[in-house]
Amino acid sequence: NAGVTQTPKFQVLKTGQSMTLQCAQDMNHNSMYWYRQDPGMGLRLIYYSASEGTTDKGEVPNGYNVSRLNKREFSLRLESAAPSQTSVYFCASARGSQETQYFGPGTRLLVL
Amino acid sequence: RKEVEQDPGPFNVPEGATVAFNCTYSNSASQSFFWYRQDCRKEPKLLMSVYSSGNEDGRFTAQLNRASQYISLLIRDSKLSDSATYLCVVKRAGTALIFGKGTTLSVSS
Repeated sequence: NAGVTQTPKFQVLKTGQSMTLQCAQDMNHNSMYWYRQDPGMGLRLIYYSASEGTTDKGEVPNGYNVSRLNKREFSLRLESAAPSQTSVYFCASARGSQETQYFGPGTRLLVL
Repeated sequence: RKEVEQDPGPFNVPEGATVAFNCTYSNSASQSFFWYRQDCRKEPKLLMSVYSSGNEDGRFTAQLNRASQYISLLIRDSKLSDSATYLCVVKRAGTALIFGKGTTLSVSS
């Protein structure tokens, strides 16, 4: 059982470039989440999807878009990367919005 | 005021020590409470849920005080492998998880 997987593990972008972070879970979970973690800031929710077909903004959605491609996959897109988006990005999933969340290993993104 | 506040530490303790972390939350409507553990450069993992009556899992004891709006985590007989950052997490109905910034524990031999 792989749990929650994320690709890529590391990425370096130049300002203005775009990229998509991929997340997939094999636990048949309904809810999926994208967080960013910055030193001294803790984990902050970017977007979440309570169930397939729905997405909602979290605490820090500006500069990001998401797609819940199917029940398994939830992608995060940076259309025009900025240095302020340098961070570690974690995807998580849960059976339901009230349930325990399980995290992927993270993507470390550096925007120059 | 942040919704979930923790002392960032670090807490430096010798092996075998007992150490306690507290966490306060500001919204009285918070319904669910958890402690997550995060190792350096790794993802957060659920350590334990926190129930109103308090609960224990081996060397770990979690307690909830709704009246004072704080949650605690007690670690007995600390091991080197307990070195990590401990995240206090709360949830209100209809919202996603709200994470504290974490408390760092370093256990030394």
